[in-house]
Amino acid sequence: KAGVTQTPRYLIKTRGQQVTLSCSPISGHRSVSWYQQTPGQGLQFLFEYFSETQRNKGNFPGRFSGRQFSNSRSEMNVSTLELGDSALYLCASSDGTGGAEKLFFGSGTQLSVL
Amino acid sequence: EDQVTQSPEALRLQEGESSSLNCSYTVSGLRGLFWYRQDPGKGPEFLFTLYSAGEEKEKERLKATLTKKESFLHITAPKPEDSATYLCAVQVPGNTGKLIFGQGTTLQVKP
Repeated sequence: KAGVTQTPRYLIKTRGQQVTLSCSPISGHRSVSWYQQTPGQGLQFLFEYFSETQRNKGNFPGRFSGRQFSNSRSEMNVSTLELGDSALYLCASSDGTGGAEKLFFGSGTQLSVL
Repeated sequence: EDQVTQSPEALRLQEGESSSLNCSYTVSGLRGLFWYRQDPGKGPEFLFTLYSAGEEKEKERLKATLTKKESFLHITAPKPEDSATYLCAVQVPGNTGKLIFGQGTTLQVKP
C-alpha cells in the first residue's frame, strides 16, 4: 500500500503571496489532518477533514484553509504569507472511524517564506 | 489545558546503553497515547498506541508503558540506527484527527 504523499516537497515564497499544498492519503483512508511543525512550537494541529467536511479545527488564523475532494485527497491553502509561516507542513491520514486513531504521516512540504 | 511534556530534550547514549524517555501528560480525558519516531527531513513514523494505565507494548528494542500520568519509552541495548527524535502525543475525546504532541526527545546513539 502506498503511503501518504505530499507535494511539493519544497516551496519558497515571498511575504504576501499565497500557497497551496497537496496531500494524497493512504488508499481507503477518509480522514486527512494537517499539522504545522516548527522548531519553536513543535507539531501543531491545523484542521481535519472527513468525507469532504471540516470536522475539527485548531487555533490558527483564517489565512489557513483547506478542503477535501471526493477521492479523499486534500489541499491546504495559506493566503497572505508571513515570515512566521515558514515551517514543515505535514499531512496525516487515518480511516476516520473514531476511537484512538493511528495517524500516518507524509514526509511533509517544507515552506520557506522570504 | 491539555498538555504533553517530554524529557529529556536530548539524550546521548553509547551503543548498548539502555535508557528511558519520559512523557508526562495532563488531559481532560485520554482516548489514546501515541509514540512516534521522526527522522530528519521526514514525517513522524508510528510506533505504538497505548489506551489505558498498565498497558505495555513492545517492538524490537523498544517498549512503551503507560500510567495515569505518564508514559515511558524504554530503549534496550540501542543501536546507532535508533538515533532519531521520539515524539509522544495524546488524543482526547471529541477531537478527531487531533493529536497533542510533546516537544520530543532527540536521541543520539554512538557506536
